[in-house]
Amino acid sequence: EVQLVESGGGLVQPGGSLRLSCAASGFTFSDHYMDWVRQAPGKGLEWVGRTRNKANSYTTEYAASVKGRFTISRDESKNSLYLQMNSLKTEDTAVYYCAKVRGGSGWYEDWGQGTLVTVSS
Amino acid sequence: DIQMTQSPSSLSASVGDRVTITCRASQGISNNLAWFQQKPGKAPKSLIYAASSLQSGVPSKFSGSASGTDFTLTISSLQPEDFATYYCQQYNRYPLTFGGGTKVEIK
Repeated sequence: EVQLVESGGGLVQPGGSLRLSCAASGFTFSDHYMDWVRQAPGKGLEWVGRTRNKANSYTTEYAASVKGRFTISRDESKNSLYLQMNSLKTEDTAVYYCAKVRGGSGWYEDWGQGTLVTVSS
Repeated sequence: DIQMTQSPSSLSASVGDRVTITCRASQGISNNLAWFQQKPGKAPKSLIYAASSLQSGVPSKFSGSASGTDFTLTISSLQPEDFATYYCQQYNRYPLTFGGGTKVEIK
């Protein structure tokens, strides 16, 4: 059974940093692209970024709204995905979901339960 | 960026109704479109990929279709568990973009 469990959310001041984790199990982690998607309170879904699989050298893509501030990485030895968030702004307040992409196809097979990040002074 | 325009933004329907939600892409995306269902306080759930392919385990009352840059999600007979918000997403080009969502409410 595929499981994606996010952690690391919390309250942080504007300008601060936070690192989210997504622990993956039940599948061969290195075979799959992995994404981060966020949802501000009461709003719709927003794609944050992607890390490709081992076959594609784990390269990354980012939304313009986070590029240069957020970094996606993964640790294959721990089957974990990370989102390092720096220079946080109040508009980054959201529930952050990790999502497993079907191989390198582009579409999501599974989602985590999400972790809430609140950026406020 | 590719804009995904979803309509309607909300609808009221009764149990047993046939419901149709539309998503229009601002440019061609081939059939690289997915649909998701989200219930309050829960993570999204993947329903359909490649415009019309059902995710494993998703009931056949859900179906998707495509015509050019217009995409449709249909629920053939609405059940109480289907009241939720539905989103489309294009994954043809970066940045990936979502529609604004359609909230399906009980009439």
